[in-house]
Amino acid sequence: DIQLTQSPSFLSASVGDRVTITCRASQGISSYLAWYQQKPGKAPKLLIYAASTLQSGVPSRFSGSGSGTEFTLTISSLQPEDFATYYCQQLNSYAITFGQGTRLESK
Amino acid sequence: QVQLVESGGGVVQPGRSLRLSCAASGFTFSSYIMHWVRQAPGKGPEWVAGIFSDGSQKFYADSVNGRFTISRDNSENTLYLQMNSLRADDTAVYYCVRYYYGSGRQRCFDYWGQGTLVTVSS
Repeated sequence: DIQLTQSPSFLSASVGDRVTITCRASQGISSYLAWYQQKPGKAPKLLIYAASTLQSGVPSRFSGSGSGTEFTLTISSLQPEDFATYYCQQLNSYAITFGQGTRLESK
Repeated sequence: QVQLVESGGGVVQPGRSLRLSCAASGFTFSSYIMHWVRQAPGKGPEWVAGIFSDGSQKFYADSVNGRFTISRDNSENTLYLQMNSLRADDTAVYYCVRYYYGSGRQRCFDYWGQGTLVTVSS
C-alpha cells in the first residue's frame, strides 16, 4: 500500500498566520490527492481534491499544490474556525490511504 | 441535499458479528461508488471497503479482507457492511462515504455520514 507521511504532526499557530502542511507519498500518485479537515466529534470534511481543486463552499484561504510524491496544504491567513486536525488522502488506487494527521492548535 | 445516515453500531463481544447500514438520500445512489471508512479512538481515518455503483466489484483493506463484506441495495438506496469475527482492534466509528469520480484526476470522498460507533469488548 502507498504510505502518506504528513509533517508536522503538530502545529501551533496564531490567528492571521500563514501555515503550510506537507504530505509525502511513498510512491508517485500523480494528483490523486485530497485534503480533509476534522473537528472533534465530527466527520472529516473535504477541503481540496485533485491536489489543488477547492471544494465548493470552502474558503479561498485554503489552497493545495503538488503532484507525484510531494503535496502541500496552505492556509493563507488562519481563522479561529481553522483550528482542527488535517488529513491528506491518496486515491491513486482502490487501496486508499490517509496520512496520520496534522493537529493545528492555537498558540 | 445529500444525506448518509449510518445505523447498526453498538457493543459486541470478540468473535461475534454485526451488520451496519447506511441510508442514502438526496442523490442518485445507484450512480455512485460507495465506501466505508473507520476511525479508531484518537486515530486517523482508515479506509475499510468500497463497492462499485452496480455492486459488480468490491475492494477491501487487508485488515478486514475475509472478515467483512460490503454490499448494497440500489432499490432501497442502502449500503451495508457485514462484519464477522470481530476483534478488539475493529473498535471504531464507522463512516459511510460517497466517492466522487470526476473528469481528469478528480477523485475524493465528498460526502460523509455522521458515523456509527462499534465497540468490540467482552
